[in-house]
Amino acid sequence: GAVVSQHPSWVICKSGTSVKIECRSLDFQATTMFWYRQFPKQSLMLMATSNEGSKATYEQGVEKDKFLINHASLTLSTLTVTSAHPEDSSFYICSAPRGSGGFTDTQYFGPGTRLTVL
Amino acid sequence: AQTVTQSQPEMSVQEAETVTLSCTYDTSESDYYLFWYKQPPSRQMILVIRQEAYKQQNATENRFSVNFQKAAKSFSLKISDSQLGDAAMYFCACIAQGGSEKLVFGKGTKLTVNP
Repeated sequence: GAVVSQHPSWVICKSGTSVKIECRSLDFQATTMFWYRQFPKQSLMLMATSNEGSKATYEQGVEKDKFLINHASLTLSTLTVTSAHPEDSSFYICSAPRGSGGFTDTQYFGPGTRLTVL
Repeated sequence: AQTVTQSQPEMSVQEAETVTLSCTYDTSESDYYLFWYKQPPSRQMILVIRQEAYKQQNATENRFSVNFQKAAKSFSLKISDSQLGDAAMYFCACIAQGGSEKLVFGKGTKLTVNP
């Protein structure tokens, strides 16, 4: 099956610092990747859609200046949490659709990154 | 935009028995896809099964099968011969053409498998 990796798997940082999370599709190319946030015992909430070669599109209520997304290549998207605060502590998951393109492609998920902001 | 509802926050099953997880959805689109994803304690989301709305035949993957009732907008997951490794959170999800074309998840059902 398709493999998506994330790095780091967990990170602890001080309040006010920035943290970068990488999402890579290892055996396929992805012009689009998705970033989700998951609080404990809750479902996944879509934060933004990462588009290779263009700006990311953010869901309503997600601050684009706090959560910077860069789709650097067809296999790499990064999420940078800027000036992190304790309320940004969460589990961040990326996904990449694999197929011929379009909404019918199945999304494959990375293993997630646990962010703790002290 | 579509909505997905999972009415069972928790379910339990005895090892080797069968369990059914419920899911209902709502979308105004005619072209859509439904999924069940499994999230074990490792928190890695794993695709369990996928169903195309235009297909009448219920999808099956080994011990996992769905009961897709299109008119009722119901998409339940049946796990046969339950194994300890099936213990996880199960999320039902839907993506529809038109509108946002984004994957929308239900709140999840926590499945416990008792030995």
